[in-house]
Amino acid sequence: GESVGLHLPTLSVQEGDNSIINCAYSNSASDYFIWYKQESGKGPQFIIDIRSNMDKRQGQRVTVLLNKTVKHLSLQIAATQPGDSAVYFCAENGGNAGGTSYGKLTFGQGTILTVHP
Amino acid sequence: KAGVTQTPRYLIKTRGQQVTLSCSPISGHRSVSWYQQTPGQGLQFLFEYFSETQRNKGNFPGRFSGRQFSNSRSEMNVSTLELGDSALYLCASSLQGQGLDTQYFGPGTRLTVL
Repeated sequence: GESVGLHLPTLSVQEGDNSIINCAYSNSASDYFIWYKQESGKGPQFIIDIRSNMDKRQGQRVTVLLNKTVKHLSLQIAATQPGDSAVYFCAENGGNAGGTSYGKLTFGQGTILTVHP
Repeated sequence: KAGVTQTPRYLIKTRGQQVTLSCSPISGHRSVSWYQQTPGQGLQFLFEYFSETQRNKGNFPGRFSGRQFSNSRSEMNVSTLELGDSALYLCASSLQGQGLDTQYFGPGTRLTVL
């Protein structure tokens, strides 16, 4: 079945380092991917998105890379700060074939990012 | 523009009871999706509403239901609560619920079933 695979890794970095969080997805029909950040006690917060017709998109201190050949997504955070400590989720939309994915995102399990001052 | 709001933020119920959770989407957003988040299963899609109609549904039992009002506000209901229903319930809104629409999440309702 469709799934986005993160196996709950933990990433620990020093403040100022660059961080890379990876995600594998299995639904080749997905055409929209999103990264969310979830802090303790809060809902997921939108970070950046990318459509399947792109392979790279940059935001402020963040870059998302999409490799459709191997169904891989990554989030790069530059100059990581203690405030970046959170759980990061990738999500995909399933392609919405026949309307089967209206309003539905499939999430990975998340990566815990810890930034040490 | 105000974000997605959810009420209540915390709930404690006992097995067998029912519960209703409320979600107000971002102004102008007509699609509301609901998710259940647990440590064991992660974030799982419950259902989506648009124009007061359920358009999509995840793999949850019929005890989980919802509705949407004409102002796009949505409620979800869980009847005959079980211990396993303890979770963070999140709602997200988007413009149309289409594939390329970004979903924005509320803070969630933490439900504890005793």
